[in-house]
Amino acid sequence: GEDVEQSLFLSVREGDSSVINCTYTDSSSTYLYWYKQEPGAGLQLLTYIFSNMDMKQDQRLTVLLNKKDKHLSLRIADTQTGDSAIYFCAENYGGYQKVTFGTGTKLQVIP
Amino acid sequence: DVKVTQSSRYLVKRTGEKVFLECVQDMDHENMFWYRQDPGLGLRLIYFSYDVKMKEKGDIPEGYSVSREKKERFSLILESASTNQTSMYLCASSPSDRETEAFFGQGTRLTVV
Repeated sequence: GEDVEQSLFLSVREGDSSVINCTYTDSSSTYLYWYKQEPGAGLQLLTYIFSNMDMKQDQRLTVLLNKKDKHLSLRIADTQTGDSAIYFCAENYGGYQKVTFGTGTKLQVIP
Repeated sequence: DVKVTQSSRYLVKRTGEKVFLECVQDMDHENMFWYRQDPGLGLRLIYFSYDVKMKEKGDIPEGYSVSREKKERFSLILESASTNQTSMYLCASSPSDRETEAFFGQGTRLTVV
């Protein structure tokens, strides 16, 4: 796998939208994922997008994929304090064992 | 409710000790993984196994070994623990036929003193 980069920290006010960004380098990625890690817990798969899609919406979550720029984003609408967590993007470039995770973005939601 | 269970939440070991981290899954998954998580570095794959007794090195296998004698259990072994192995260790499992499912354990925070 190649590098998957994310900004380390994001702070938003409750009720605002959050946008977490990720850049990846492997153009052969098949799936791209967003995981959430709450304090003291393991990772939970939030959503994923197949590489031939541009957008996927799932309730408050919107995933945008720009394959040309190798850019993935996760938008959380109406951010709540329960959304405070670390968010990891990950790319699958050939079967699940070949998954590279980003560095993680810590989202802080201010009441 | 699907589960990946790691045997310990917190461990403190001395330099040079042999350390075993255990992981059990109840979903009959073929694939199991061990990652370490460090601030600013994300998750890095140590080893994975795609079947009983089968294993492959990940990105950072040095200083570690693994054992998978039964499908549901995947053990990570630190042959001689060192302080630079202080980290959070995460186990995960996934089915071999679905690339959109993966489940993680709650993690083991290992401190080597």
